[in-house]
Amino acid sequence: DAGITQSPRHKVTETGTPVTLRCHQTENHRYMYWYRQDPGHGLRLIHYSYGVKDTDKGEVSDGYSVSRSKTEDFLLTLESATSSQTSVYFCAISEGQRYEAFFGQGTRLTVV
Amino acid sequence: GQSLEQPSEVTAVEGAIVQINCTYQTSGFYGLSWYQQHDGGAPTFLSYNALDGLEETGRFSSFLSRSDSYGYLLLQELQMKDSASYFCAALGDFNKFYFGSGTKLNVKP
Repeated sequence: DAGITQSPRHKVTETGTPVTLRCHQTENHRYMYWYRQDPGHGLRLIHYSYGVKDTDKGEVSDGYSVSRSKTEDFLLTLESATSSQTSVYFCAISEGQRYEAFFGQGTRLTVV
Repeated sequence: GQSLEQPSEVTAVEGAIVQINCTYQTSGFYGLSWYQQHDGGAPTFLSYNALDGLEETGRFSSFLSRSDSYGYLLLQELQMKDSASYFCAALGDFNKFYFGSGTKLNVKP
């Protein structure tokens, strides 16, 4: 199994508070991704990274920011959480020369 | 934008064959892959097609037709443990993966 860890696994937070989710990999893969999964929508790309300090927006990036200061860590920040950001968040990594993505176990975030 | 369409739910009996279709529309396309996700779990990679044709991996096969922007996942000799959601995903520009909304497969005894 690919070495990819998400933290925390579960979080409940209040509307308006900042939240940071962490993704840590031990595979030295170049590409890292944040997805959110909601019923009926599958996995939607929030942001992705193609190298240290190199990030770009995905399909649903509003209200989210990311940072990647080291190859192994990719952080997703909700600047001011809203109830619409209640979701399951998945981090994924990819080597780039291959065609598969490896996923972390997910973070279930509830904004109340 | 990116769009991948697949049926929302499919039901089949144990031992049968089931096909899950996926049509896609993406700006930049390098291949189609398939993922399995059990309830409460993470998506796991099943197969990938970069070229037209059929790829076989055990009981699972995947097909791609670039000219039709279409692919499918074929599951043979269905087992109860195959009950899960299945996602097609297109690999687009800049190594981005775009996913369909998923097909929930129910396998009945």
